Amino acid sequence: DAMVIQNPRYQVTQFGKPVTLSCSQTLNHNVMYWYQQKSSQAPKLLFHYYDKDFNNEADTPDNFQSRRPNTSFCFLDIRSPGLGDAAMYLCATSRTGRSTDTQYFGPGTRLTVL
Amino acid sequence: AQRVTQPEKLLSVFKGAPVELKCNYSYSGSPELFWYVQYSRQRLQLLLRHISRESIKGFTADLNKGETSFHLKKPFAQEEDSAMYYCALTHGSSNTGKLIFGQGTTLQVKP
Repeated sequence: DAMVIQNPRYQVTQFGKPVTLSCSQTLNHNVMYWYQQKSSQAPKLLFHYYDKDFNNEADTPDNFQSRRPNTSFCFLDIRSPGLGDAAMYLCATSRTGRSTDTQYFGPGTRLTVL
Repeated sequence: AQRVTQPEKLLSVFKGAPVELKCNYSYSGSPELFWYVQYSRQRLQLLLRHISRESIKGFTADLNKGETSFHLKKPFAQEEDSAMYYCALTHGSSNTGKLIFGQGTTLQVKP
């Protein structure tokens, strides 16, 4: 089945230790998104890629970076995780990025910062 | 500022009862409105979008621009409807598809 895959499902890191979360898709979609969802809060967009073009949200901290080496893969790098970065990280894709497009979500990676 | 508000964190009903999950939005323009659903131990997925004007799993939602609302309704709730429901919008003229989510409502359908 074509889908969005996130690895790992659970990630534990130490305060200040860099961590990378991975997302891959078999849908061949042009757009890939990373959302952060803290406990009992709404998912919030961090950034997205339209093909190779990176688009950062204005309020995304510099601590968060992303890479998209090819159509299928997208990575979220947290350079120096703080306790406040503990959250569920959701990857999503859409075919064209148009406002009416469906977004397809991965299962999420739950990040714990010790 | 663009905002989506779901006033109820939890809505609990009995099987067969009508359900209405409320969603109000604040947006200066013509947004596209969606309902996404997350069943237990499953990923977030699209339930329906206003532009399609369709009924999915018995759910409907009507966009009321005057009241800036997009409430989700079902006449007879089923136990399998128990899930977390998120209302969301995108900018109507956007080519990024950025979703702005409400905080979600947990629907609990009791037998």
